[in-house]
Amino acid sequence: DTAVSQTPKYLVTQMGNEKSIKCEQNLGHDTMYWYKQDSKKFLKIMFSYNNKELIINETVPNRFSPKSPDKAHLNLHINSLELGDSAVYFCASSQVAGRIYEQYFGPGTRLTVT
Amino acid sequence: SQQGEEDPQALSIQEGENATMNCSYKTSINNLQWYRQNSGRGLVHLILIRSNEREKHSGRLRVTLDTSKKSSSLLITASRAADTASYFCATAFTGTASKLTFGTGTRLQVTL
Repeated sequence: DTAVSQTPKYLVTQMGNEKSIKCEQNLGHDTMYWYKQDSKKFLKIMFSYNNKELIINETVPNRFSPKSPDKAHLNLHINSLELGDSAVYFCASSQVAGRIYEQYFGPGTRLTVT
Repeated sequence: SQQGEEDPQALSIQEGENATMNCSYKTSINNLQWYRQNSGRGLVHLILIRSNEREKHSGRLRVTLDTSKKSSSLLITASRAADTASYFCATAFTGTASKLTFGTGTRLQVTL
């Protein structure tokens, strides 16, 4: 029944490693997003895909690579992890066609880089 | 730079009182949305107001939008302990309506 799900919920890893976060939505939405929320709760968009095409790519290091195998899934792969990557990463989705812009968020993945 | 700035940063009230949070932004918007985030959870959409609307209601929530002042307010009436959360406004620029820029958030604490 979960609308937007993310796995894993927690990730603890060392600097230099690579990790992936997976996201799935069962709402039939056409657009998915990745956000980063830092320790001060500031939430910033990283990427957005519409029907598997990248439409938003903010100033994010190229160590971060999103991938959308289909419009229900958006994964995030991070190479060469750094301390500053520690944050909570949220996936979200919305139905942009039809101008319905409310976004539905997943529960978040807390990434800790040591 | 951040689009939305919220005021106050933190608000503590007693159950039954009303809570008002304000959001200011800098450029023309397509729509403005309010979200709630409970501790350790994802964000939950509360209400969306479009640039041609001035006021919207949803249950105990009332949102106003003043595009001339580039500001919005969220009023929660008859607050409950369960309303304790962080509240964020998010703006979508004209021309990029699907891209949201979030404010700094207001932490609301409702005590019994």
